[in-house]
Amino acid sequence: NAGVTQTPKFQVLKTGQSMTLQCAQDMNHNSMYWYRQDPGMGLRLIYYSASEGTTDKGEVPNGYNVSRLNKREFSLRLESAAPSQTSVYFCASSRGGVYGYTFGSGTRLTVV
Amino acid sequence: EDQVTQSPEALRLQEGESSSLNCSYTVSGLRGLFWYRQDPGKGPEFLFTLYSAGEEKEKERLKATLTKKESFLHITAPKPEDSATYLCAVQDISNFGNEKLTFGTGTRLTIIP
Repeated sequence: NAGVTQTPKFQVLKTGQSMTLQCAQDMNHNSMYWYRQDPGMGLRLIYYSASEGTTDKGEVPNGYNVSRLNKREFSLRLESAAPSQTSVYFCASSRGGVYGYTFGSGTRLTVV
Repeated sequence: EDQVTQSPEALRLQEGESSSLNCSYTVSGLRGLFWYRQDPGKGPEFLFTLYSAGEEKEKERLKATLTKKESFLHITAPKPEDSATYLCAVQDISNFGNEKLTFGTGTRLTIIP
């Protein structure tokens, strides 16, 4: 039972480079989310997908794009990385209601 | 705008020394309040959901309680393995159907043997 799988676990980018963070869940959840976690800022929502085929902006969407490829997969793309995007990125999925989120193990991204 | 404030930012306790963590929240209408545990280098792990004032949930040495403006996570006779960051999050009733959560910045708990 894998839950939520994120790849890669670590990544170093140069300013201006692009990359895609991958996320897949095997729990048949409808909703999926991308958060970033920074010291002193907590978890902030970047984008979410309430169901397959839909995506919406969260609190801090600038500089990011997402794709809900199918019910299992939700990717996050940085088109032109900036040092301000250095962070730990978490993908999560939700069954809804009382069950809360299931989080992946995170991607630690450094932009130099 | 939904807001979640957790206090203290950090707490160091001796093993066996009970204490409480606080989560104050502001929402237009509360659909649910969630507690998570996060270990270093890992994703948050779901602990509890509380829905209405007066509700309590327990798991081992942890008990979560809820009032109309805040939630407490009580830790009774903690052990070193309880050391972690504890996160609080709220879901506004306007987010029914998309399950969006607003998180606090967490309390980093250290239990000293």
